Amino acid sequence: SAVISQKPSRDICQRGTSLTIQCQVDSQVTMMFWYRQQPGQSLTLIATANQGSEATYESGFVIDKFPISRPNLTFSTLTVSNLSPEDSSIYLCSVDLSDGYGYTFGSGTRLTVV
Amino acid sequence: AQSVAQPEDQVNVAEGNPLTVKCTYSVSGNPYLFWYVQYPNRGLQFLLKYITGDNLVKGSYGFEAEFNKSQTSFHLKKPSALVSDSALYFCAVRDYTAAGNKLTFGGGTRVLVKP
Repeated sequence: SAVISQKPSRDICQRGTSLTIQCQVDSQVTMMFWYRQQPGQSLTLIATANQGSEATYESGFVIDKFPISRPNLTFSTLTVSNLSPEDSSIYLCSVDLSDGYGYTFGSGTRLTVV
Repeated sequence: AQSVAQPEDQVNVAEGNPLTVKCTYSVSGNPYLFWYVQYPNRGLQFLLKYITGDNLVKGSYGFEAEFNKSQTSFHLKKPSALVSDSALYFCAVRDYTAAGNKLTFGGGTRVLVKP
């Protein structure tokens, strides 16, 4: 299965600032997915990032708030902008190598906004 | 859109007893179904998946799941639960969109295995 390195693992940020989360995969993948897990909740897809094109955002998520970069087939970043306490969540990246191991997830970034 | 539902927020079971975590699905066409586990302060770990074939799917850590088309269910089971199985379990279904094949998750079930 794929190995995903996600950084940072956690951060505490001031409201109004931004946090950029990095996701590095040890294999080339076409699509990378970014999810949000609010406290006590399930996972919700934020956007799908394909290399060389703009990310596709799910309903309720916009590029100005969650800009995504996908410069190559092994790397992506998610920025959470203009932070508010409501953005306190775990953010996870994911890939699907179609190798029989299902979708692989990073270890997550726990964001607390104060 | 495809969806899954987990009717139980929490399941409590004594160590050594059978463990069942329920999941029902709603899909058009053939379902691709998954189970994941999330331990505290860790990411999601893949347990097993059903795409086609045998209705009984065996996965990691002694877990298995039974696909039941007539009941639209995909319940996760373990014959003898361990305290270390205490975690958050998610059922998921592959959903087809223009952007790609994403995973849609159920609400999650917290499993507490008591010694």
